[in-house]
Amino acid sequence: SYVLTQPPSVSVAPGQTARITCEENNIGSKSVHWYQQRPGQAPVLVVNDSTDRPSGIPERFSGSKSGNTATLSISRVEAGDEADYYCQVWESSSDYVFGSGTKVTVL
Amino acid sequence: QVQLVQSGAEVKKVGASVKVSCKASGYSFTGYYMHWVRQAPGQGLEWMGWIDPNSGGTYYAQKFQDRVTMTRDTSISTAYMELSRLRFDDTAVYYCMRDNGATGGFDSWGQGTLVTVSS
Repeated sequence: SYVLTQPPSVSVAPGQTARITCEENNIGSKSVHWYQQRPGQAPVLVVNDSTDRPSGIPERFSGSKSGNTATLSISRVEAGDEADYYCQVWESSSDYVFGSGTKVTVL
Repeated sequence: QVQLVQSGAEVKKVGASVKVSCKASGYSFTGYYMHWVRQAPGQGLEWMGWIDPNSGGTYYAQKFQDRVTMTRDTSISTAYMELSRLRFDDTAVYYCMRDNGATGGFDSWGQGTLVTVSS
């Protein structure tokens, strides 16, 4: 089955940049989507189709891909960015797949 | 604005069924696929399947194929997810989500419905 690998946790100081990775051998050919889930809330789409930012999402959130890795970057991190972040793709053999999630802690 | 409002929390016995609703507003209900995912306590997101509200066509993840049924009522812009033969490990928050239709991302989510399976 298709597996998207994310680090369990990332810690970052306020004002710095957090980078969350999502790895899979064939990810370069896929649309990758990123979601933010704050405690007790539903997920929110923060990056669509690997690099696009939906309306209302701050410019501090950006997505990129290189080789086997997709990355969500959060610049000028704020306390409110503390959340779980999930990557997601559509894979023909495994349907819609989510990564295991990364907990971002703001120090 | 796009809004998905789900039905309230449920407590069910092992072996029973649960039906969760998802009422859409702010857009053309039949124009976008609706998906369902679940999230067990402290765990990640698990995709369950989708329904095309226009045709009623469905597609389910293999894991749930024999227990899940997704339906819709276009007259009230509402999608439903029914899970049968409930087990303890079906205890989770269930979310409906709108497919953005272009690239496979989910651009709007319901608030979630907690389903608790007890003995």
